[in-house]
Amino acid sequence: EAGVTQFPSHSVIEKGQTVTLRCDPFSGHDNLYWYRRVMGKEIKFLLHFVKESKQDESGMPNNRFLAERTGGTYSTLKVQPAELEDSGVYFCASSQGPGQGLPEAFFGQGTRLTVV
Amino acid sequence: DQQVKQNSPSLSVQEGRISILNCDYTNSMFDYFLWYKKYPAEGPTFLISISSIKDKNEDGRFTVFLNKSAKHLSLHIVPSQPGDSAVYFCAASVAYGNKLVFGAGTILRVKS
Repeated sequence: EAGVTQFPSHSVIEKGQTVTLRCDPFSGHDNLYWYRRVMGKEIKFLLHFVKESKQDESGMPNNRFLAERTGGTYSTLKVQPAELEDSGVYFCASSQGPGQGLPEAFFGQGTRLTVV
Repeated sequence: DQQVKQNSPSLSVQEGRISILNCDYTNSMFDYFLWYKKYPAEGPTFLISISSIKDKNEDGRFTVFLNKSAKHLSLHIVPSQPGDSAVYFCAASVAYGNKLVFGAGTILRVKS
């Protein structure tokens, strides 16, 4: 089991460009989350998928951010157009569904996004 | 409004001694609490958790204590080892599977 994997590990883009981050969760995990850590501060929630459905997207900053989870497997987070304040480390996490076992979320290594 | 607070940005402890990391929360609806450890350039790694129906959970060198009336939890590491040096995040959730609300983290340095 490879765990939660994220791609790319780093991305440097210019303001106004588009970037797409990808997350592959643990196989079989129904829950998939996106979080962001900006400037070494707290890790903040962006959104939560249960299988392919958006359960909670209350943390999405604005409509420049679009998340999808195709077929309830991997997920992508697209930022279009990117702004300077979008810089930070984007983490993906996954956890098992109710009744499936441990509820703890397991995190990927993160994607460091720098917008210049 | 920061619902989970870790008021100590850093903590330095001698190897072999106890490390105590603290966390306070404001939302009485939080039902589940977790500690994560993070090394540089890595994602947070789950360490230990506790449900609101308990006041203590122990796993090897790590023990988490929960004081619901004070809305306070703490992580004890005994004995501390140099490999424990990392950033420790406290997190809370209102229910199983819901989003985690994180504190800002505490940098722990264990000196040998």
